[in-house]
Amino acid sequence: QSQLQESGPGLVKPSETLSLTCTVSGGSISNRAYYWGWVRQAPVKGLEYIGSIYYSGNTYYNPSLKSRVTISIDTSKNQFSLEMRSVTAADTAVYFCVRHLLPPSAWFGPWGQGTLVTVSS
Amino acid sequence: QSALTQPPSASGSPGQSVTISCTGTSFDVGAYNFVSWYQQNPGEAPKIIIYEVSKRSSGVPDRFSGSKSGNTASLTVSGLQGDDEADYYCGSYAGNNWVFGGGTKLTVL
Repeated sequence: QSQLQESGPGLVKPSETLSLTCTVSGGSISNRAYYWGWVRQAPVKGLEYIGSIYYSGNTYYNPSLKSRVTISIDTSKNQFSLEMRSVTAADTAVYFCVRHLLPPSAWFGPWGQGTLVTVSS
Repeated sequence: QSALTQPPSASGSPGQSVTISCTGTSFDVGAYNFVSWYQQNPGEAPKIIIYEVSKRSSGVPDRFSGSKSGNTASLTVSGLQGDDEADYYCGSYAGNNWVFGGGTKLTVL
């Protein structure tokens, strides 16, 4: 079973770029059965899908975030990354990296432990 | 505001059954049989418990069951136990996108 671990800065200034990396262990990120994605959870709020990427580079993005988000993959390092531009306080959240099956039967699991990113000056 | 609507709270006594609803639209819950449910304990990541409306994830007791009617999906927990107390989230495929509910806090009285 794959294990996922997020890493990156816990504090980002408004208008700057949030960058996170997810390292996958216990399995290859090039496994054709899976997509690799990001989900966030604002404080005391629900879950929000951000986007996903396949080993080939094919991506899906939440339409409401698509203009500010880029997800990339590095199969040589078994990692994938999230960049979110022009952040505001509304982007403060716990960011989880996740694995999911190919759409449409794409339930999410396993999940990383999550990393809190605070947007503040 | 979340895309799918869940009641903020639900409760029941040990041994009782409780049902949590998840209401979407004809573009997500109503359009696809790809509704999933997640259990989240405080300070932890969510964990999949139900996928494709009614299939239980490995190791999940059969006290947990899922169903769907029209634009509303439901999670039923029967024979409530203390460690069922957690937050529960629904999710649905929405055509090259995924949407979630705002979560329901289940309290075992």
